[in-house]
Amino acid sequence: EIVMTQSPATLSVSPGERATLSCRASQSVSSNLAWYQQKPGQAPRLLIYGASTRATGIPARFSGSGSGTEFTLTISSLQSEDFAVYYCQQYNNWPYTFGQGTKLETK
Amino acid sequence: QVQLQQWGAGLLKPSETLSLTCAVYGGSFSGYYWSWIRRPPGKGLEWIGEINHSGSTTYNPSLKSRVTISIDTSKNQFSLKLTSVTAADTAVYYCARRGSGTSAYPLWGQGTLVTVSS
Repeated sequence: EIVMTQSPATLSVSPGERATLSCRASQSVSSNLAWYQQKPGQAPRLLIYGASTRATGIPARFSGSGSGTEFTLTISSLQSEDFAVYYCQQYNNWPYTFGQGTKLETK
Repeated sequence: QVQLQQWGAGLLKPSETLSLTCAVYGGSFSGYYWSWIRRPPGKGLEWIGEINHSGSTTYNPSLKSRVTISIDTSKNQFSLKLTSVTAADTAVYYCARRGSGTSAYPLWGQGTLVTVSS
């Protein structure tokens, strides 16, 4: 199975600053990659699919880039509601696999 | 607006069978893939498997010997059964629907915490 590795495990950033989260696949997943945000007690929320396409209703401050094995999620100016755990997911090969998550916390 | 609502037993003993059901409200059942995903405490998400409206299934090989996903199109519901559970199966379980034109998941159920403990 494809192993997804996210870094860092925890990222401390101040509101208003830029956050950059990374996701690496153990083999190429083309652009078949999604990013999710999860808050405590809630289901994951799809942010990005196709590596760079924002899902419906997702603010423009969220952007995704990359292809193959290296991917990045950028949040351009952090709002208070953005502090959460973020997961990447590949859907290029079965079984679909997720990264272990990056916790974005307030600095 | 399509919604997924899930339910099932939240406390199991080792060796018992986990059983969860997810109902689809407000949208078409056919033409989509319906999945189960779980998140063990302190860990990342794990894809369990999926089924389409025709009943065709795909399972995670790590769970395949214990998992059955089934569908009831007359009720717009799909279900998960996981046999011989252990403490390692303790997790929040989610039902989800793949998007149309993408295999990402824009639609999720609310989640069910299942705890396996003697």
